[in-house]
Amino acid sequence: NAGVTQTPKFRILKIGQSMTLQCTQDMNHNYMYWYRQDPGMGLKLIYYSVGAGITDKGEVPNGYNVSRSTTEDFPLRLELAAPSQTSVYFCASKIRGTTTEQYFGPGTRLTVT
Amino acid sequence: AQSVTQLDSQVPVFEEAPVELRCNYSSSVSVYLFWYVQYPNQGLQLLLKYLSGSTLVKGINGFEAEFNKSQTSFHLRKPSVHISDTAEYFCAVSGGYQKVTFGTGTKLQVIP
Repeated sequence: NAGVTQTPKFRILKIGQSMTLQCTQDMNHNYMYWYRQDPGMGLKLIYYSVGAGITDKGEVPNGYNVSRSTTEDFPLRLELAAPSQTSVYFCASKIRGTTTEQYFGPGTRLTVT
Repeated sequence: AQSVTQLDSQVPVFEEAPVELRCNYSSSVSVYLFWYVQYPNQGLQLLLKYLSGSTLVKGINGFEAEFNKSQTSFHLRKPSVHISDTAEYFCAVSGGYQKVTFGTGTKLQVIP
């Protein structure tokens, strides 16, 4: 199993550009999450999904969009990049249940200039 | 609502010395507690978790944590640290709605 994979690893965007961060998991997990990590701030939840076709907002959804058309994929879309979106983005997945742990991808480091 | 507080943003410790990383939580429902470790330029990985039963939980790499309900704490300990333990450690709580709340992290710096 590859686990959770994310592409790209690094990206530099200009203000106003758009991009999609890809996330794929091969563990047949129902739940998937997108977090952003900023220095000293821990992880903030952007969006999450409990299954194909179902998504919901987290703490910091503004400026982002998601879709979940399959169990495996959970892409994160930035429509109009802003410097405030400079961050490291992590995708995670887990099986159903509040007692189960999350599995994280290696992250995407995004810089918006 | 649930929250996690990690009071120490950085903890320097000499190699082979013991270490304790502190975590306090609050929640209005039953909680499940996790410690994750993040090595430089990597994603998070599970160190250990408390679900129920014995309040002392053992994890990977010699780490352990103790759940204290009365003090709402879940501190992480290791009796003797190694250089390879240098990383950032995150405490997390899962209490409902499939969301997990993370603390702000503690950077453990092991000094040779």
